[in-house]
Amino acid sequence: ETGVTQTPRHLVMGMTNKKSLKCEQHLGHNAMYWYKQSAKKPLELMFVYSLEERVENNSVPSRFSPECPNSSHLFLHLHTLQPEDSALYLCASSQDLEQSSYNSPLHFGNGTRLTVT
Amino acid sequence: AQSVTQLDSQVPVFEEAPVELRCNYSSSVSVYLFWYVQYPNQGLQLLLKYLSGSTLVKGINGFEAEFNKSQTSFHLRKPSVHISDTAEYFCAVSDNTDKLIFGTGTRLQVFP
Repeated sequence: ETGVTQTPRHLVMGMTNKKSLKCEQHLGHNAMYWYKQSAKKPLELMFVYSLEERVENNSVPSRFSPECPNSSHLFLHLHTLQPEDSALYLCASSQDLEQSSYNSPLHFGNGTRLTVT
Repeated sequence: AQSVTQLDSQVPVFEEAPVELRCNYSSSVSVYLFWYVQYPNQGLQLLLKYLSGSTLVKGINGFEAEFNKSQTSFHLRKPSVHISDTAEYFCAVSDNTDKLIFGTGTRLQVFP
């Protein structure tokens, strides 16, 4: 039990489909994140939310649309994706935005393995 | 800009042997350093972190890392590995901007 739950674990979708990834954290944290993990590349930070407000969007294509309805839930809505978007998408949370704080390390979910065909 | 280099993409080692996973960073300011581990089909877990104080940091599962400011390194070590240590290990660095920059990862494969 990691405290951060992601669903689904695996997702295969066509380029014209619309799907959503869900993340839920049970840790009482105030900040939530979406990361993209591709083979042989560093983790890419996609979006950051703090107290349900988006505070960072790292030049992510508009075919990825995040939503944070409350501090416990985070969604990533997907539409018209490309094959190069296939990756492991990781959700994480931290007590607050200070990732370097001793008391605020990142807690990751197990990820959603996305395959775009 | 901050960057993290993990020189070895894969490290094969036999069980009970010692291991060192290398990490170098580039930064001209004070940094905070982390090692995360990712077991198969799981997310990342914090292994250990250096924020200040003693340069030798002990983490979970018998791992430790040493911060070397002059060499801008933060290598991860374990004196005797187990099969269960097989995983991907990520070094990460953060400065006072609070952005966490990850390396490309090192896959540790422990053989019996």
